[in-house]
Amino acid sequence: KQEVTQIPAALSVPEGENLVLNCSFTDSAIYNLQWFRQDPGKGLTSLLLIQSSQREQTSGRLNASLDKSSGRSTLYIAASQPGDSATYLCAVRDSNYQLIWGAGTKLIIKP
Amino acid sequence: GAGVSQSPSNKVTEKGKDVELRCDPISGHTALYWYRQSLGQGLEFLIYFQGNSAPDKSGLPSDRFSAERTGGSVSTLTIQRTQQEDSAVYLCASSFWASQETQYFGPGTRLLVL
Repeated sequence: KQEVTQIPAALSVPEGENLVLNCSFTDSAIYNLQWFRQDPGKGLTSLLLIQSSQREQTSGRLNASLDKSSGRSTLYIAASQPGDSATYLCAVRDSNYQLIWGAGTKLIIKP
Repeated sequence: GAGVSQSPSNKVTEKGKDVELRCDPISGHTALYWYRQSLGQGLEFLIYFQGNSAPDKSGLPSDRFSAERTGGSVSTLTIQRTQQEDSAVYLCASSFWASQETQYFGPGTRLLVL
């Protein structure tokens, strides 16, 4: 059974710092991996999608990597801003084409 | 057009009562998904619709949970005889087709069962 784990559960850093969020999964047989952002009272927003054949994807200050063989992905946020404060969720699309979700990392960027 | 909308945004109910949660997907989206997000846990898949049909109901936690979709648009998730463990945020998402990678999420309904 595919399980997705995100560490840490919460993170607080000063504005301007670069940071890394971690996601691990137990079964390497995945179609893709996505990173989402969740703001309080709002829906989830897809940030980056990495296909199983890819190693990384970039969007602006965000860079996501995927190491399928080791079951790991990282989301790198450069030059963090207070507006980056949110909960970041990782989800893998498993061999049954279902999305399996991590519990998220709550990120707070202090001005 | 407008995004996915859900109502109510918050619902407080007493144990044993029935509740109905509503989801309005993005116009033209044929696939609709329901998820449950409990405190401190990842999203839990409940059910998805392609058109008005639900090919996969495997995620529904018990027979107290049911969902329907009419006219290929609005969907309602009904929880009968609510229990305290049903307290969670219920999220709805839609996509153009079920196989499309990008799902667009609504803001969720926060359900509290007292």
